[in-house]
Amino acid sequence: AQKITQTQPGMFVQEKEAVTLDCTYDTSDQSYGLFWYKQPSSGEMIFLIYQGSYDEQNATEGRYSLNFQKARKSANLVISASQLGDSAMYFCAMRDRAAGNKLTFGGGTRVLVKP
Amino acid sequence: GAGVSQSPRYKVAKRGQDVALRCDPISGHVSLFWYQQALGQGPEFLTYFQNEAQLDKSGLPSDRFFAERPEGSVSTLKIQRTQQEDSAVYLCASSLSDTEAFFGQGTRLTVV
Repeated sequence: AQKITQTQPGMFVQEKEAVTLDCTYDTSDQSYGLFWYKQPSSGEMIFLIYQGSYDEQNATEGRYSLNFQKARKSANLVISASQLGDSAMYFCAMRDRAAGNKLTFGGGTRVLVKP
Repeated sequence: GAGVSQSPRYKVAKRGQDVALRCDPISGHVSLFWYQQALGQGPEFLTYFQNEAQLDKSGLPSDRFFAERPEGSVSTLKIQRTQQEDSAVYLCASSLSDTEAFFGQGTRLTVV
């Protein structure tokens, strides 16, 4: 069965510093996709970044980058130059063919950016 | 529309009452998903539509939960005879490809 593990329930980060959020996954599929979402207190799930299992380059979107280590089955999110507005819950998710088209989510990491 | 729209944003239901939650996906998006998010947890899959066809309903927790998307656009999630354990945020997502999934703001359901 698909499984996503986020081992950090909460993190503090100083404004303007970088933070890495851990995510490991388990799948027997060769073809899969990894997603990161931000969920502020308003509740909306905001799509941040996507990495395909066959993508050779690590995905980047502005201040977000994904450190994809396929052999270790990890897909860590790096947020550079943290801003106060980055304070939120962050969820890692996976979609693979064995599970149909649905996303399987981890338990999330709460990030609090300190001024 | 510009994004996925869900209504109502908040719903308080008395135990035993039926509720209907609406999702208006991004125009043209073929795939539509419903998820349930309990407080402090990640979203859990409920059901999936491709156009009007419900291809996967394996996540629906009981036969009190029913979803439909009759014309392949707007979808409704219906919960009959609500119970306290149904209290959660219900999220809808839509996508055009398997490299994306865009969520609405969710409906927070509280059963009292």
